[in-house]
Amino acid sequence: QSDLTQPASVSGSPGQSITISCTGSSSDVGSYNFVSWYQQHPGKAPKFIIYEGSKRPSGLSHRFSGSIFGNTASLTISGLQAEDEATYYCCSYAGSSLWVFGGGTKLTVL
Amino acid sequence: QVQLQESGPGLVTPSQTLSLSCTVSGGSITTYDYFWSWIRQPAGKGLEWIGRIYFDGNTNYNPSLDSRVTISMDTSKNQISLKLTSVTAADTAVYYCARGPGSRTGEAFDYWGQGTLVTVSS
Repeated sequence: QSDLTQPASVSGSPGQSITISCTGSSSDVGSYNFVSWYQQHPGKAPKFIIYEGSKRPSGLSHRFSGSIFGNTASLTISGLQAEDEATYYCCSYAGSSLWVFGGGTKLTVL
Repeated sequence: QVQLQESGPGLVTPSQTLSLSCTVSGGSITTYDYFWSWIRQPAGKGLEWIGRIYFDGNTNYNPSLDSRVTISMDTSKNQISLKLTSVTAADTAVYYCARGPGSRTGEAFDYWGQGTLVTVSS
């Protein structure tokens, strides 16, 4: 069982938008803006795509966006493309020098 | 471009010690701006943060593994290392080293190694 709760799967058609939620608590997501998101293709290392809840690393597509509201963080991918099919993980600082991850959400592009 | 490469035995006997190294290139591990972490992923499962080390040797560990984990660094080799004692089958996972958390990237993990699979089995 992971510390942050994500839906096991989401799906969408090319061109559509999807949102993945990441629900934590007042001890992690709700207390800190240090939420990050990672994209992982099968057999590959995770790739860093969002930090501080909503900021994109340099060079990352603007199709990826993030937000935090209360104890829940969200990742939105707009204009879905086939290469977006992957598993997405959220991560939050949980205080006391501890980082926690969500269980991951598998995105299927129909 | 920072690159990280994990190395170490792919098979460890139960109750023994898992030892891995991570060689960093394209940047120094003695940087003020970033910690260096180990993260693992059992097959088909999610990610688990194991711990981190700073350039001054300061470390923090996940309480779930604290009693068994040691992370260290060798600045002459630009390497960080992981030791996990008394391993069981539950420690079987892909182990990643990563740069982060860092103040410049909102305490995220911005560069990752390719990962190395460690299987605990007799």
